[in-house]
Amino acid sequence: AQSVTQLDSQVPVFEEAPVELRCNYSSSVSVYLFWYVQYPNQGLQLLLKYLSGSTLVKGINGFEAEFNKSQTSFHLRKPSVHISDTAEYFCAVSPGFQKLVFGTGTRLLVSP
Amino acid sequence: SAVISQKPSRDICQRGTSLTIQCQVDSQVTMMFWYRQQPGQSLTLIATANQGSEATYESGFVIDKFPISRPNLTFSTLTVSNMSPEDSSIYLCSVSPQGATGELFFGEGSRLTVL
Repeated sequence: AQSVTQLDSQVPVFEEAPVELRCNYSSSVSVYLFWYVQYPNQGLQLLLKYLSGSTLVKGINGFEAEFNKSQTSFHLRKPSVHISDTAEYFCAVSPGFQKLVFGTGTRLLVSP
Repeated sequence: SAVISQKPSRDICQRGTSLTIQCQVDSQVTMMFWYRQQPGQSLTLIATANQGSEATYESGFVIDKFPISRPNLTFSTLTVSNMSPEDSSIYLCSVSPQGATGELFFGEGSRLTVL
């Protein structure tokens, strides 16, 4: 079975500062990895995904994530955040059968 | 990608009643899923909606409580039966369109409050 751990429930940051949201996963098989964002009162939107190949994955809105197999991590980063990035971010893992297992989420709070 | 419409977007329900949530997709999809997001928590998979056969439920979820229909490749319903306040959640429909590489697309969710 797969599991996902998001180490930080909430990350406060000032506008234009860099941010890293941490995600670790556990799986006995190769997996696909995803980051989703949920803005208030909305559904989930895919930010980026790792399937194979390059371990550095670039997504929408200036976000990127790096897959580290030895550390079983898939941390999300952005070099300079905006107020509009305030949202809930979910890391998810899939063994390839479209059934995603989600982490508990990290609330990113960007203040001026 | 896929455009997913859910109805209702929100509702307030009385204890003991049932509510059916509809999910309509703008294209035919093989895989449809129903997730639950309880207040302040992550998403939990309820079941996989199978076209033309019974849904496949995850551990902790049963058909009597969450009956699901999937009459065709673009539509599904989830019923929350005999509701209690513990059923207050956001219920999300998600799909994996043909050609998608592993990711799911989500509707905007149906926010249910049970009094």
